[in-house]
Amino acid sequence: GQQLNQSPQSMFIQEGEDVSMNCTSSSIFNTWLWYKQDPGEGPVLLIALYKAGELTSNGRLTAQFGITRKDSFLNISASIPSDVGIYFCAPPNAGNMLTFGGGTRLMVKP
Amino acid sequence: GAGVSQSPRYKVAKRGQDVALRCDPISGHVSLFWYQQALGQGPEFLTYFQNEAQLDKSGLPSDRFFAERPEGSVSTLKIQRTQQEDSAVYLCASGTAYNSPLHFGNGTRLTVT
Repeated sequence: GQQLNQSPQSMFIQEGEDVSMNCTSSSIFNTWLWYKQDPGEGPVLLIALYKAGELTSNGRLTAQFGITRKDSFLNISASIPSDVGIYFCAPPNAGNMLTFGGGTRLMVKP
Repeated sequence: GAGVSQSPRYKVAKRGQDVALRCDPISGHVSLFWYQQALGQGPEFLTYFQNEAQLDKSGLPSDRFFAERPEGSVSTLKIQRTQQEDSAVYLCASGTAYNSPLHFGNGTRLTVT
């Protein structure tokens, strides 16, 4: 089956620092989605990428759809305490079924 | 507007009991998905409905798991004879159409003792 590897699995950062995380796959995808999950809540869509090579921003978040279509990157600039949570890459298969990576747990030191 | 609503938020069941988890999708949303999220892991697909039709149930772990959406809106995920390995958060998500972004509920945390 498809495998999604997210890196890093977890990270502590100082408030104000930039954060980078990535997701790689053994399969090609036509869409890449990034979700964030806060404790006790469901995942919330942050950014959607629809074209290989595409770079998309949403506030302090920037995501890129890799040229090979097998990877994607998410960057958060100037992190703040509310950025704490788990970030998932979740490219959809045919039929809109999402496959989630294992997540990157972000912890910010105040 | 209301989002995806799931109930109960928490459910504790003794091993062997049957449980029913409810999902109220966003009004008018055609597609509905159930996911299972074990502690410390990403959500995993269970089953998918388009209106009342269950189009994919390949992710259901065993025949103890059953899902329905009889009128194309509210959905129920039923787990019979619960086992400890069924302990997880069960997430429901809905979307407007094929390939539209999904909106997730806050999940039901099931603990089987």
